[in-house]
Amino acid sequence: QVHLVESGGGVVQPGRSLRLSCAASGFTFNTYGMHWVRQAPGKGLEWVAVISYDENTKYYADSVKGRFTISRDNSKSTLYLQMNSLGAEDTAVYYCAKDLTSSLEHVFDYWGLGTLVTVSS
Amino acid sequence: DIVMTQSPDSLAVSLGERATINCKSSQSVLHRSKNKNYLGWYQQKPGQPPKLLIYWASSRESGVPDRFSGSGSGTDFTLTISSLQAEDVAVYYCQQYFSTPLTFGQGTKVEIK
Repeated sequence: QVHLVESGGGVVQPGRSLRLSCAASGFTFNTYGMHWVRQAPGKGLEWVAVISYDENTKYYADSVKGRFTISRDNSKSTLYLQMNSLGAEDTAVYYCAKDLTSSLEHVFDYWGLGTLVTVSS
Repeated sequence: DIVMTQSPDSLAVSLGERATINCKSSQSVLHRSKNKNYLGWYQQKPGQPPKLLIYWASSRESGVPDRFSGSGSGTDFTLTISSLQAEDVAVYYCQQYFSTPLTFGQGTKVEIK
């Protein structure tokens, strides 16, 4: 049974930083690409970033490029998202999601429940 | 970036009737050499994360009821719920994974008439 559990969300002031974590279990974490997808309150889905199983490939949405960094620790089966220079537009539920195959197809077959990030003074 | 546009934004269908959701991409998501359309469909119920229904435009994810089907190719795609059930009330999103940035449609809300 695949489980993805995000943590690290909360209320943060504009301009500050936050690091999200996603603990994975139930599958061979070190063979799958992983993603972050966010959803602003009452809005649609926005893909944020992807990382390959070996960390060699990373892609970001333009809206977060240069501010957010995706990483992973395969020894801990954990995915991370370091978020810097946060702004109100980053307020959202952040989901981690597993890639469908080990070939980084960029389709998401399992999602966590999400963690809410609120950027407010 | 590939822009995904869904229609309609919302629809109300009677129980047992067919629901059809359309998704159009601003450029083709058909990978010609692989002959695959890089298009997925997700269902999101209130307070829950999205759930993958369909990938490669028409492949049903394991455990998804067969009343859900996907079709289309190139730039035009359709998600069909052949006989709407009460538990199908949700927002449905299409997503292209042909190229980064990965992009979603704006969502279509399905309700019971």
